[in-house]
Amino acid sequence: EAGVAQSPRYKIIEKRQSVAFWCNPISGHATLYWYQQILGQGPKLLIQFQNNGVVDDSQLPKDRFSAERLKGVDSTLKIQPAKLEDSAVYLCASSFLRVESPLHFGNGTRLTVT
Amino acid sequence: QKEVEQNSGPLSVPEGAIASLNCTYSDRGSQSFFWYRQYSGKSPELIMSIYSNGDKEDGRFTAQLNKASQYVSLLIRDSQPSDSATYLCAVSGNEKLTFGTGTRLTIIP
Repeated sequence: EAGVAQSPRYKIIEKRQSVAFWCNPISGHATLYWYQQILGQGPKLLIQFQNNGVVDDSQLPKDRFSAERLKGVDSTLKIQPAKLEDSAVYLCASSFLRVESPLHFGNGTRLTVT
Repeated sequence: QKEVEQNSGPLSVPEGAIASLNCTYSDRGSQSFFWYRQYSGKSPELIMSIYSNGDKEDGRFTAQLNKASQYVSLLIRDSQPSDSATYLCAVSGNEKLTFGTGTRLTIIP
């Protein structure tokens, strides 16, 4: 079984620039999550999709972050414009069902904003 | 009060001893409980899930759940240096999964 694919692995940008991350979940997994993990902290949910619908985006800074999951498969997360405090690892995860099912994480994208 | 609380550590345990990791949660309606292990620079990986009160054992790992006390724990028997990592407790309820901040565990050879 192929795992959750994410790209890029690393990204360095200057503040006020834009950046996009891509995620391809495990085949057949209906639920897709984007988490932000700042060094030394636990993952913080940004957005949760069930198929191509949004289940929870209450912690997504909507003035600068956006996410979409077209056709209920791949997903992209965008930041525009980036701030210094956005420096973190962005983790994509998927699960077969909703939160009762274990999450499978991708390798993450480490973003550095200078 | 944080929704999911863990002692951030670091917790140091001698090799071969039992490591005990604890987690408390605030939502009494929580239904599913998970322990994830995260090595430095890596993504979290699931090591245990538990859904009902009591103990669940998997190899050297035992998860314990007490819903009345809103408490879940992870015991690692015969600790190995490869167990050195951050352990994240995750709790789900009302369609929401919340992670704790993690406990950093170091196994001392």
